[in-house]
Amino acid sequence: KAGVTQTPRYLIKTRGQQVTLSCSPISGHRSVSWYQQTPGQGLQFLFEYFSETQRNKGNFPGRFSGRQFSNSRSEMNVSTLELGDSALYLCASSFLGRGADTQYFGPGTRLTVL
Amino acid sequence: ELKVEQNPLFLSMQEGKNYTIYCNYSTTSDRLYWYRQDPGKSLESLFVLLSNGAVKQEGRLMASLDTKARLSTLHITAAVHDLSATYFCAVDMEPGNTPLVFGKGTRLSVIA
Repeated sequence: KAGVTQTPRYLIKTRGQQVTLSCSPISGHRSVSWYQQTPGQGLQFLFEYFSETQRNKGNFPGRFSGRQFSNSRSEMNVSTLELGDSALYLCASSFLGRGADTQYFGPGTRLTVL
Repeated sequence: ELKVEQNPLFLSMQEGKNYTIYCNYSTTSDRLYWYRQDPGKSLESLFVLLSNGAVKQEGRLMASLDTKARLSTLHITAAVHDLSATYFCAVDMEPGNTPLVFGKGTRLSVIA
């Protein structure tokens, strides 16, 4: 069974630009969660999608948004990039959703904002 | 606001020794998770603890949850070098209603 895939793996952008990250969950999984990891703030939860509906959102500004498609693939968008958005962005999938089931993480997308 | 504290943040231990990592949290919850992260890699889910008194074991790692004390422990038995990694705990108050909150992680180094 293929694992969680994330594209692209590395990305360099400049301040003010926007970026879209993609996550393909394990086949059959309906939940996708997104996390941001930085040296300063550590791991922070961004949001979770389940069957195309956002279930929960972390404490991030509205510049961070996401969506999930009918095939459970998810995208995360960050608009008007700031230097502080440089981070490793992880997505994780599970069948029943966070809190009920083991999450499987993708390799991450490392975003650098210059 | 839910706060999750792990200690120690850094741990250097000899092969063959036992040690415990602690995860304290500030608000009532009965859902706690442990993850492992190798340098430069993604997260790996280790344990999902869903009730008071839950205990799970996998190899040399054992995790437990005491919801009354708001404490989870990750016990390492007879450490080996392959266990060197950063370990995170995370607490979930109400999946679907509140964000998952992570501890800062414990960087474990097992030396010969």
